[in-house]
Amino acid sequence: TQLLEQSPQFLSIQEGENLTVYCNSSSVFSSLQWYRQEPGEGPVLLVTVVTGGEVKKLKRLTFQFGDARKDSSLHITAAQPGDTGLYLCAGVSGTYKYIFGTGTRLKVLA
Amino acid sequence: GAGVSQSPSNKVTEKGKDVELRCDPISGHTALYWYRQSLGQGLEFLIYFQGNSAPDKSGLPSDRFSAERTGGSVSTLTIQRTQQEDSAVYLCASSLSSGSGSPLHFGNGTRLTVT
Repeated sequence: TQLLEQSPQFLSIQEGENLTVYCNSSSVFSSLQWYRQEPGEGPVLLVTVVTGGEVKKLKRLTFQFGDARKDSSLHITAAQPGDTGLYLCAGVSGTYKYIFGTGTRLKVLA
Repeated sequence: GAGVSQSPSNKVTEKGKDVELRCDPISGHTALYWYRQSLGQGLEFLIYFQGNSAPDKSGLPSDRFSAERTGGSVSTLTIQRTQQEDSAVYLCASSLSSGSGSPLHFGNGTRLTVT
């Protein structure tokens, strides 16, 4: 069974602080995606990384795919209250299988 | 255009009753997925459709769970003889194709509560 472990599980920080969320697996994925979910809504795709070692930036968010394509990280610089939500990584395996991580619940306090 | 639509948004049912959850995917999306989410945590895969066929049903927890898709569009997830452990948010997602890296577009889910 493929598993994706995320850490930390919960994170509460002050506005302006930096943070990193980790997504780890023993399995190799063809690509990896990050989603953000807000209460009462479905997850929304933030980014897809495909190549080992790839780094993508989305404003204050930086995503990295591990060299071996087994892990990923999400770094947020100068967090804002609008960043609050549940962050989910998803490893893509084969042609259709999306394995979701355990989730990181982030709360940014003003 | 319209996103993925799920109905009902909330469902409260008594233990032992059957429920049907509906998903209207984005028009033209051939791939459709059902996931279950408990207590705002990670997503548990239930079933994958490509067109009207379901090549992967491996995530369905028991034979009380079934799903179908008709016309390559609407899908229905049916839970028979509901149990309290079935309480969760059931999320549907569609994708233009089932290719690596294709984004999943999610509905807002159906929150099922079994009393």
